[in-house]
Amino acid sequence: EIVLTQSPGTLSLSPGETATLSCRASQSVSSSYLAWYQQKPGQAPRLLIYGASSRATGIPDRFSGSGSGTDFTLTISRLEPEDFAVYFCQQYLTSLWTFGQGTTVETK
Amino acid sequence: DVQLVESGGGLIQIGESLRLSCAVSGFNVNNKYTSWVRQAPGKGLEWVSSIYSGDSRYYADSVKGRFTISRDNSKNMLYLQMTNLRAEDTAVYFCAGGHSRFFSFWGRGTLVTVSS
Repeated sequence: EIVLTQSPGTLSLSPGETATLSCRASQSVSSSYLAWYQQKPGQAPRLLIYGASSRATGIPDRFSGSGSGTDFTLTISRLEPEDFAVYFCQQYLTSLWTFGQGTTVETK
Repeated sequence: DVQLVESGGGLIQIGESLRLSCAVSGFNVNNKYTSWVRQAPGKGLEWVSSIYSGDSRYYADSVKGRFTISRDNSKNMLYLQMTNLRAEDTAVYFCAGGHSRFFSFWGRGTLVTVSS
């Protein structure tokens, strides 16, 4: 099983700032099989990024993903009030899909 | 427009069984990955099971042997039969799917509470 470790656990920022979220895999995922999701309280997750860097339909360009191998990053530029949420990374390289434990982006 | 709607959750006793359903519209379950993902109260996301074209079925170790994923192509429905339920199976269960192995579309979830 590929274990995904996200850091930090919580990020306290103000609107307009940039959030940098990390996701580290216990073994190489390759850039094609890493996704990021956003989840707000009481809602289902929403796909943001797939293939490590491709934005899903309708996702603003202030969300960007990068990385390969075992280290991946989600960057949220110019934080908007609606961006404060929990973010999860997920690998789909193997048929034992796994998620990271999540990073909470909260208002400072 | 893609829509996934789960049903079948509820309060159940330890050791009992429950079947969850997911009504899918906007894509065909018979040739796409469709999956169940759960979230325990206040916790993160945990992948549970997936089904793909043909009879390819995949399960997390935590549910293997107790849960069975299936689909009805004629109704475009996804199911999760859960047996021998444990307290740690308490969670919101989401139906998810899309055109690839990541989860483009999600339902709103159905809550399963397993109590003694």
